[in-house]
Amino acid sequence: AQTVTQSQPEMSVQEAETVTLSCTYDTSESNYYLFWYKQPPSRQMILVIRQEAYKQQNATENRFSVNFQKAAKSFSLKISDSQLGDTAMYFCAFRKAAGNKLTFGGGTRVLVKP
Amino acid sequence: KAGVTQTPRYLIKTRGQQVTLSCSPISGHRSVSWYQQTPGQGLQFLFEYFSETQRNKGNFPGRFSGRQFSNSRSEMNVSTLELGDSALYLCASSLAGTDLTGELFFGEGSRLTVL
Repeated sequence: AQTVTQSQPEMSVQEAETVTLSCTYDTSESNYYLFWYKQPPSRQMILVIRQEAYKQQNATENRFSVNFQKAAKSFSLKISDSQLGDTAMYFCAFRKAAGNKLTFGGGTRVLVKP
Repeated sequence: KAGVTQTPRYLIKTRGQQVTLSCSPISGHRSVSWYQQTPGQGLQFLFEYFSETQRNKGNFPGRFSGRQFSNSRSEMNVSTLELGDSALYLCASSLAGTDLTGELFFGEGSRLTVL
């Protein structure tokens, strides 16, 4: 079974600054996908960024980038130039190569302060 | 294009009752997954349906069941409700069938309170 761990329950960051969220996972699978999802207060969860395990290059989506360390089973998210709209819960998630079942971490609450 | 629609958005039940939640996926999506979100347990996978067949199931008691219709709409049912079933139930749809890279699109959830 897979496990996903987010060790930071809550983080705060000043607007325009950078924040990095940590995620570690455990799996015996060799091929899989990793995701960061954002859940704003009382709003639906949306995908922030995705990383395929077979790709060595770290994924980037605008202000969001990941540091994927496959050997260390680490998958951190960096939010650059933080904006007030980035305030949300962020979930790290794992998915095997087959199927649509996501295993989520416990989440990190990010508060962006003006 | 309409997103994933879940109904009802909020509901209150009492212990021992049963509840049915509905999820309409994005048009063309054939995979529907259900998740339970609670403060204590976080986000946990319930089950996934694809083309009216349950393809995967999480570690929940048999009181939790689901089904998918030919139009891909899905329902989940919880019988003999317990206080611990109070949660936000999230539905997610995906275009992916055997395509392994399908993104999951989530609905806003149905918030169930059991008294």
